[in-house]
Amino acid sequence: SQQGEEDPQALSIQEGENATMNCSYKTSINNLQWYRQNSGRGLVHLILIRSNEREKHSGRLRVTLDTSKKSSSLLITASRAADTASYFCATDHTDKLIFGTGTRLQVFP
Amino acid sequence: DAGITQSPRHKVTETGTPVTLRCHQTENHRYMYWYRQDPGHGLRLIHYSYGVKDTDKGEVSDGYSVSRSKTEDFLLTLESATSSQTSVYFCAISELNYNEQFFGPGTRLTVL
Repeated sequence: SQQGEEDPQALSIQEGENATMNCSYKTSINNLQWYRQNSGRGLVHLILIRSNEREKHSGRLRVTLDTSKKSSSLLITASRAADTASYFCATDHTDKLIFGTGTRLQVFP
Repeated sequence: DAGITQSPRHKVTETGTPVTLRCHQTENHRYMYWYRQDPGHGLRLIHYSYGVKDTDKGEVSDGYSVSRSKTEDFLLTLESATSSQTSVYFCAISELNYNEQFFGPGTRLTVL
């Protein structure tokens, strides 16, 4: 079974709006990562947040982690059409990274 | 892009034939991974390697074998391809386990 589950499965917004995606997981973790995948391409690492961190920023990305709720959120501010992609969270589980099923984000110009 | 390539990029084969996919890296990273990506399942780990000749199974390893005779190459073999192995296969590398992974462009495999 998947360690991480993203929510929503799909999200459509207009350019300039903010996009928020959530990830829930089941067991304790050392870190949680977010990746982006453009259609037909490999995944690209966005950000890693460690279990002792609560919030992390990278450009227009803001990631939060709540270990008590076993959940994380990815916020993309001032979205652009180029942000259209699928977004995956990944958590470390035993000795592997386990990926969720992803959120498909569509940003309309 | 990190120096990671996959070959072939596309392959169509018939049920029962052997297939080998190659992942090549120029980054000298210790860890290499093979994933498959299917609709509704996200990415699932098939096998991974933590060094030359050191490999271990992932969550969907049945029907697959791997080999790593050199740091830069990680081969995935389907001994006898089945239609259920039709998928997009991604190779990934990382310096440290649990850390940032760099992905290859993927191989689309169709088993008829």
